[in-house]
Amino acid sequence: AQKITQTQPGMFVQEKEAVTLDCTYDTSDPSYGLFWYKQPSSGEMIFLIYQGSYDQQNATEGRYSLNFQKARKSANLVISASQLGDSAMYFCAMRERGTGGFKTIFGAGTRLFVKA
Amino acid sequence: DAGITQSPRHKVTETGTPVTLRCHQTENHRYMYWYRQDPGHGLRLIHYSYGVKDTDKGEVSDGYSVSRSKTEDFLLTLESATSSQTSVYFCAISDLSTDTQYFGPGTRLTVL
Repeated sequence: AQKITQTQPGMFVQEKEAVTLDCTYDTSDPSYGLFWYKQPSSGEMIFLIYQGSYDQQNATEGRYSLNFQKARKSANLVISASQLGDSAMYFCAMRERGTGGFKTIFGAGTRLFVKA
Repeated sequence: DAGITQSPRHKVTETGTPVTLRCHQTENHRYMYWYRQDPGHGLRLIHYSYGVKDTDKGEVSDGYSVSRSKTEDFLLTLESATSSQTSVYFCAISDLSTDTQYFGPGTRLTVL
């Protein structure tokens, strides 16, 4: 079974508008972490935002916010005021306890296209 | 930028040959990871390490082995490379106190 599910292979958004990228997860570990990463066409992985499972408030980092709905096991990324430079692949990831230590696994990603 | 490098950055090899990829960090982070990235699959965890000589399997560990004899180096070995192992390989490091992972630049491996 998929641990991290990103149901949107591709998304389009108009410049300056907000966009939500979906992510659902599955884990039995009560202590876990959720991440979002950006991968532009150049290939590097850029950390965007982190949410801990015990955090009461949704995480925010500049134009990025994480809409954390724990009961629904949902961790959607919201990008406000989209810019052309936001066009990239976006990956949701989850850190959970493995057999020996903590492991982080990724979803398949969503490609975001920002239109001028 | 986190001090993490991968070598080689590009490699072309033939089916059946052994291949070793190296990840080196200067951050003294406890955790190190190897992922492969393929279109439509995102990043898939191969193996990870939670300390010197402490490793565990990830989602797609078949055909791969790892070793970590010192904190700064994490080696990924393909004992007998196959064409299905053609991919981009990323190494990552993390320290639980920082709540993030830092990624290396990636290694593009082609198995002919």
